[in-house]
Amino acid sequence: DAKTTQPTSMDCAEGRAANLPCNHSTISGNEYVYWYRQIHSQGPQYIIHGLKNNETNEMASLIITEDRKSSTLILPHATLRDTAVYYCIVRAWGAQKLVFGQGTRLTINP
Amino acid sequence: EPEVTQTPSHQVTQMGQEVILRCVPISNHLYFYWYRQILGQKVEFLVSFYNNEISEKSEIFDDQFSVERPDGSNFTLKIRSTKLEDSAMYFCASSESGNTEAFFGQGTRLTVV
Repeated sequence: DAKTTQPTSMDCAEGRAANLPCNHSTISGNEYVYWYRQIHSQGPQYIIHGLKNNETNEMASLIITEDRKSSTLILPHATLRDTAVYYCIVRAWGAQKLVFGQGTRLTINP
Repeated sequence: EPEVTQTPSHQVTQMGQEVILRCVPISNHLYFYWYRQILGQKVEFLVSFYNNEISEKSEIFDDQFSVERPDGSNFTLKIRSTKLEDSAMYFCASSESGNTEAFFGQGTRLTVV
């Protein structure tokens, strides 16, 4: 079963930052936080992952709290194409599979 | 940018028939996966494959399912005798190692009638 809790849905205005929260209060020391998204019924798309430090790439930023019990994915300037279901996944080092939950359905509004 | 490709994009088959779903993983990747997503439900892990053998499988992956890497580029999922409940999107994924991020293909929509 998924070890994360995410809001079912969120809305964000185009051009604004979208902040997607994720709770993973039972995370273990060797578990990473991964974010994927799924646009329509396409294949899940990798966004970013981290262990304890904040991470940034060309798509997004990942902020992990100091106690690692929660994290926030930030899309700095959301566009309509960012409308998707966003999945926060906790995955142990060496664990090959990803366990998907229901995710957050993010809608970017014009 | 390298990507995972899947064929066909849509397959319709009659109940009881065998189907083979095909995938070409990213070329330098060593780990391969199949996931499925029944309409309106979560993405579910089926199987992972490394070094020409299954490294992990889920309860869903029963004797009706098999995977194969028939050559250096393809990775296939075979369903021996399809059931109505096998209707789903099937996603192939690959990763460089067991610890790195997995990249997914666009999926094959399997419809069993």
